[in-house]
Amino acid sequence: GAGVSQSPRYKVTKRGQDVALRCDPISGHVSLYWYRQALGQGPEFLTYFNYEAQQDKSGLPNDRFSAERPEGSISTLTIQRTEQRDSAMYRCASSLGNRGANSPLHFGNGTRLTVT
Amino acid sequence: ELKVEQNPLFLSMQEGKNYTIYCNYSTTSDRLYWYRQDPGKSLESLFVLLSNGAVKQEGRLMASLDTKARLSTLHITAAVHDLSATYFCAVVNTNAGKSTFGDGTTLTVKP
Repeated sequence: GAGVSQSPRYKVTKRGQDVALRCDPISGHVSLYWYRQALGQGPEFLTYFNYEAQQDKSGLPNDRFSAERPEGSISTLTIQRTEQRDSAMYRCASSLGNRGANSPLHFGNGTRLTVT
Repeated sequence: ELKVEQNPLFLSMQEGKNYTIYCNYSTTSDRLYWYRQDPGKSLESLFVLLSNGAVKQEGRLMASLDTKARLSTLHITAAVHDLSATYFCAVVNTNAGKSTFGDGTTLTVKP
């Protein structure tokens, strides 16, 4: 596709349920990032991958959050036992990574998660 | 831990006026980016600044980087309504892959 694609666009779930958010990066982009953006704030780093390897997961808030990118392309961010404080916009971004070391991030339109 | 601070957080300008947005960061960095976000939309890249003294210009926007002062500026010349948006700077740690974002400057240009 032309850009980073995220699905679903909106997700409403009940507290305690698990959710999986999907990101399909730009073809050929080595690096994939997950960010969380609260209203009126900048994106907050969660984790990132180069190819299939998770390079940094220091931003994941707790062990209910996990991410994978098994074949170095599509990535899934999973939140287990969701809580109301998990409600936010979750944004995925990709970049050329070491193929273009100074390339900016290309963001998807995000998944708006609401936990009721 | 890298911290990125932008100011002002909110800016209301009249068309035709000039203004500067500031981005300060706390540790050594080898890359700084500026992004634009329109309401309800995603972030789009504006500028990449790589070295001390770097200056980039696109239309009415000009970005510069002073790595010694750990400061980047985004200067707006003769503002027009279409520039109304939220502008974020993002800094990449040396030897780290992730970008740390400021909280953004929401610019409103009024006629």
